[in-house]
Order: sequence, then structure tokens, then C-alpha cells
Amino acid sequence: SQQGEEDPQALSIQEGENATMNCSYKTSINNLQWYRQNSGRGLVHLILIRSNEREKHSGRLRVTLDTSKKSSSLLITASRAADTASYFCATEGNQAGTALIFGKGTTLSVSS
Amino acid sequence: GAVVSQHPSWVICKSGTSVKIECRSLDFQATTMFWYRQFPKQSLMLMATSNEGSKATYEQGVEKDKFLINHASLTLSTLTVTSAHPEDSSFYICSARPTGGLGQYFGPGTRLTVL
Repeated sequence: SQQGEEDPQALSIQEGENATMNCSYKTSINNLQWYRQNSGRGLVHLILIRSNEREKHSGRLRVTLDTSKKSSSLLITASRAADTASYFCATEGNQAGTALIFGKGTTLSVSS
Repeated sequence: GAVVSQHPSWVICKSGTSVKIECRSLDFQATTMFWYRQFPKQSLMLMATSNEGSKATYEQGVEKDKFLINHASLTLSTLTVTSAHPEDSSFYICSARPTGGLGQYFGPGTRLTVL
């Protein structure tokens, strides 16, 4: 099962620009997480935001969460070529022990 | 801490053979582990929830007789793809939830190619 959509599906920007990715989900959540995945590799956990939080920062990352709209955004500031990867949001439901459900992902390409 | 390993990291097999993939929590115990599948250029899809000492719970559309899951200990879950076919070629990723703890930790994934 999949929670919902991420947009855009693909994003191409120049180094130094900001990249914004959006994620929508369908059900009530305990938290929402963002992951990065380089081509053919495993997942790298970026940031977790709880359902009672609205914004969180980590380095060049800024995540927002709007539970009324069931949506989240990930902003990467001052992007670098090394940020080129696929980015996924994943939601954890309210029920204890539930799996993470992933969005469809955004493929980010940063050119130098 | 909180390291999850998978073995093998990649495997190539002939159509009709069975392949076993191991998922281990190296420094914590995990009563619950999850198995995901990811086709090229797609997202991760949950296949099943594996609970130590009990039967796995499969997501709709996942054949339990084809994807056998065994969670025999608190640190090991195995996924066996039986009678593999080319359409089973995919990236299989497991995650483990620490017993009594929060969060999930992902393994590095296993790439399966069925010829």
C-alpha cells in the first residue's frame, strides 16, 4: 500500500538553488519521515517530524508538516551536486508497531 | 548502534530456483521486521510484516506461498522467494523495529535478478 503522492516526480535545478518537494498522505499519522536514496542504493534517513510539530530544521534541510491538509514539504537549501538522489516521504501510523508507508518519491537532479 | 544487515547484497539466479534473503539486526533485538520491495524507478512497497515466533502478515496482493517469511529469532528474519521468475527481479529491503523501542532501521537492501 502507498500513502499518496509526492510532487514533483522529477526536479532539475542548478547548484546553489533551493529544491522543494511536497508529499501528501491519506491517513492519520504519528510521524512523517524523509529519506534519500541514491541510485541503486539503500535508504538514508534524513529527518523525522512528529504529528504535533509544524516545522523542523536539520542543516540545509527544512521540513514542514500540515496535518490539516495531510501534507509535508522538504526544502533543501543551497543545493549541491551531491544532493542528486531520489527523496521519499514515509508515514508511520498511529497504531503501535505499524510499518512505514512510502510516497512515490521525487527524483532530484542537481547540475553543477 | 541500530545496524541492520542483509545478505546477500545481490544475487542472480535462474528462473524456477528459490532464493533466501536474510535480514539481521546486529546490535538490538527486533520482535518486528518489515519486508519491502522496490522495482526500478518506483517507490518502496510494503510486502509483509514479520513477527518473531508467529506467522507473517502479508499485504494485499503479495502471495504468501511465493514469498516465505521466517522470523525464528529476535535478530533474524528471512525472506525466501520460491520458484523465482524474471518479474520477481527487484530490490528487496528489510527494516527492523527495536523490541519495546521506537523507530525502524533499514537494511542496505538485496538486489535480486532472475534470468
